Amino acid sequence: DSGVTQTPKHLITATGQRVTLRCSPRSGDLSVYWYQQSLDQGLQFLIQYYNGEERAKGNILERFSAQQFPDLHSELNLSSLELGDSALYFCASSPRDLQSTYEQYFGPGTRLTVT
Amino acid sequence: AQSVTQLDSQVPVFEEAPVELRCNYSSSVSVYLFWYVQYPNQGLQLLLKYLSGSTLVKGINGFEAEFNKSQTSFHLRKPSVHISDTAEYFCAVSGLGGSYIPTFGRGTSLIVHP
Repeated sequence: DSGVTQTPKHLITATGQRVTLRCSPRSGDLSVYWYQQSLDQGLQFLIQYYNGEERAKGNILERFSAQQFPDLHSELNLSSLELGDSALYFCASSPRDLQSTYEQYFGPGTRLTVT
Repeated sequence: AQSVTQLDSQVPVFEEAPVELRCNYSSSVSVYLFWYVQYPNQGLQLLLKYLSGSTLVKGINGFEAEFNKSQTSFHLRKPSVHISDTAEYFCAVSGLGGSYIPTFGRGTSLIVHP
């Protein structure tokens, strides 16, 4: 158990809908990272938040957004869902920026199925 | 483009046999290297990492990896595998393009047969 929690574990929704994925980092970790894992793209970095502020952006679509709250939990919002958004979404956390710690701790993931 | 390549998508092996999972990266700058393991229905767990120093790195569960700068490789090895090692293994590299966010390979599925 990494100490990172993600809810829900599974989510099934229809095209065009909007969903919110939630992540609680390990106690004391300031950075949160979101990744998308799909069969065709592998594990892709989406976005990083550090202590409430956006720190780095990866291959995140404009239909997707994220935020980190004062209690350091994070939410990933996916809107106008398409079939291709079906994937495993992982959250990871680290104590500080990766520049100083290098190591990430991954949650168990949320499996999103868009029908 | 800078990238991480895991040369084998699937590696079948018998229990107690040795195994090597290959990873190559393309970069002309110093990098940090990682191997993660993903068991079914779980998140990624760090096996080992190379930041600096000795090029032979030992990790958890009896795994080790060797950093070869001239060949830009970071192959993962285990002298004797167990059924419980059946999982997906990901090589990751950070420092590519000046970013500390790791770039992951596509993964290698290690299948250990009895």
